[in-house]
Amino acid sequence: GAGVSQSPSNKVTEKGKDVELRCDPISGHTALYWYRQSLGQGLEFLIYFQGNSAPDKSGLPSDRFSAERTGGSVSTLTIQRTQQEDSAVYLCASSRGASVPNYGYTFGSGTRLTVV
Amino acid sequence: DQQVKQNSPSLSVQEGRISILNCDYTNSMFDYFLWYKKYPAEGPTFLISISSIKDKNEDGRFTVFLNKSAKHLSLHIVPSQPGDSAVYFCASSFNAGGTSYGKLTFGQGTILTVHP
Repeated sequence: GAGVSQSPSNKVTEKGKDVELRCDPISGHTALYWYRQSLGQGLEFLIYFQGNSAPDKSGLPSDRFSAERTGGSVSTLTIQRTQQEDSAVYLCASSRGASVPNYGYTFGSGTRLTVV
Repeated sequence: DQQVKQNSPSLSVQEGRISILNCDYTNSMFDYFLWYKKYPAEGPTFLISISSIKDKNEDGRFTVFLNKSAKHLSLHIVPSQPGDSAVYFCASSFNAGGTSYGKLTFGQGTILTVHP
């Protein structure tokens, strides 16, 4: 596609439920990143996929968070047993490779998750 | 540990004047720096970047300055326009093991408002 697509754009869930957030990166982009932005905070790194390499999961805040990337394309971020502190905008980005290009990555519009 | 800091949460500027957004970092390994701009309900978009081998990079109305000894970078927008009103994030990255690495560390963001 022309850009990074994320779905849903908004998600309201009850505390304790599981949620899945989806990201479709730009075709041909081998690197995919998940970030989140909590209210009043900067963008917090969650996880990074690069080609067939093992993902960098160092930013995942707890074992309730996991992510997969199937076929080197679409990625799903799963949050189990959601808590109110998980409420945030979850942003996905992709780039052509592991190197930081001089144009940065391309972000999707995000999924706004609200846990009630 | 906030490795990238934007100490001004907001900045208000008159149209036509200069906007100066500041960013400080603590990790001396950072060697690539970027600025992103974010409108409400949209993902951040890349604005301008600078490598640590330079101290200035200019693109139209936007100039980024890097002071490595002070671990400080700034974004100058001149002349400022109402359409520049957005949240601005600085971000940093570094090479790991000789291979450029795409993970970016972001600041908290500065809300810029340009008044007509």
